[in-house]
Formats: sequence, structure tokens, C-alpha cells
Amino acid sequence: AQSVTQPDIHITVSEGASLELRCNYSYGATPYLFWYVQSPGQGLQLLLKYFSGDTLVQGIKGFEAEFKRSQSSFNLRKPSVHWSDAAEYFCAVGLNSGNTPLVFGKGTRLSVIA
Amino acid sequence: DGGITQSPKYLFRKEGQNVTLSCEQNLNHDAMYWYRQDPGQGLRLIYYSQIVNDFQKGDIAEGYSVSREKKESFPLTVTSAQKNPTAFYLCASSIEVGRIYEQYFGPGTRLTVT
Repeated sequence: AQSVTQPDIHITVSEGASLELRCNYSYGATPYLFWYVQSPGQGLQLLLKYFSGDTLVQGIKGFEAEFKRSQSSFNLRKPSVHWSDAAEYFCAVGLNSGNTPLVFGKGTRLSVIA
Repeated sequence: DGGITQSPKYLFRKEGQNVTLSCEQNLNHDAMYWYRQDPGQGLRLIYYSQIVNDFQKGDIAEGYSVSREKKESFPLTVTSAQKNPTAFYLCASSIEVGRIYEQYFGPGTRLTVT
């Protein structure tokens, strides 16, 4: 069965600094990969997705992620963090067959300090 | 204005009572999902439905029930058999975009049982 690991429970970065959130997946074939963001008390918003093609994908709010098959990773990056980026971030993996539920990691909480 | 609505935002119930959480979507999505979110646990799948009048158990279905009589609606009932029902509940729906099924989330309902 597929699984997702987000090794960092909580990360704190300074405003303006770069950010990288880690995500590792376990799945036998090439998966669909997603990053979502959740503000406190809100639903999840899709940031970006990967299925095939260019391994560096661009998303909303200035985020990007890179798929590395050899490392089974799909890390999320942002060159310069803004205070409004403080939220919880979830990585998810989907099967490449049919409309089946995504499997989510446990999330990484991002705090941004001045 | 298309989207997923969940009502109410906050719900309070006494222990031993059943409670139904509403989820409606006007996106014409075929599949709908219910997740439960607890601090540090990520999202856990309760039930999902790929088509009307059909649904499948997720990882933590015990103590919950659902129905899917209409494409637009996927209500979740939290029964008195659910041992620890206090949580944040998220509804989602999905549609195929290219070859990827993207999930979109509602704003969530916070249920407190005392």
C-alpha cells in the first residue's frame, strides 16, 4: 500500500528566508503527487501537483516542488517566505488508476518569524 | 459560485446522540470523500463514494455512516458508537483533470461532543 512520510512536524523560518518541506512516498509505480496547504480552522487548498513530464512543477503562491524518483521524494520549496505562508502543509499521493482516495502525510506546520 | 459547502462550521452535541454533518457540492464532481483530522494525525479517510448510491469504507469507518442519494450531497452521520467523535471533519470531492484526479476540500466542520 502507498504511504507518505513528512519527516518534519514543525518548521520555523524567518520571513524572507527560503523554505523546503520534505515529503517521501512509498508506491510501486509512478504516483500522482500533491501538496496542499491548510490555514487554521480551514479546509485544504491545492498548491501544486505532479503526474509526469517535467519533474519541477510550479504552483500557486510562488511554491514549487521537485519530483525525484531515485529518492522517492517530492519536496516543496519557496525562495522567500512571507508571514502569510504560516500554515500546515500536507503532501499526498494518489494511485495512477481511477478515482481513488489520496493518501496524506501527517503534515508539517510552518511558523514564520519576523 | 461553485464549491463545496459544509454546515455548520461548529457543532456541539451531548455524548450518546447521533449527529449528521452536511456536505454539498455544485461542481458536478462524481466522487466525494469524508476525512477526519486530529492534531498531529493528518487526514484519515472515513468513507468515500465514487458514484451515486455507492460508497466504500475508509480506514476509520467504525462508528460512522454515510449516504449518497444525490450526486451533490454526501452527508456523514457520527453515531453514538463512535468512541471519540470530537474532531475536525473535512469533506472533499474530486474530478479528473488531464489524467489526474484532483481533490477539492470544503471548509470543514468542527464537532465537539461532551
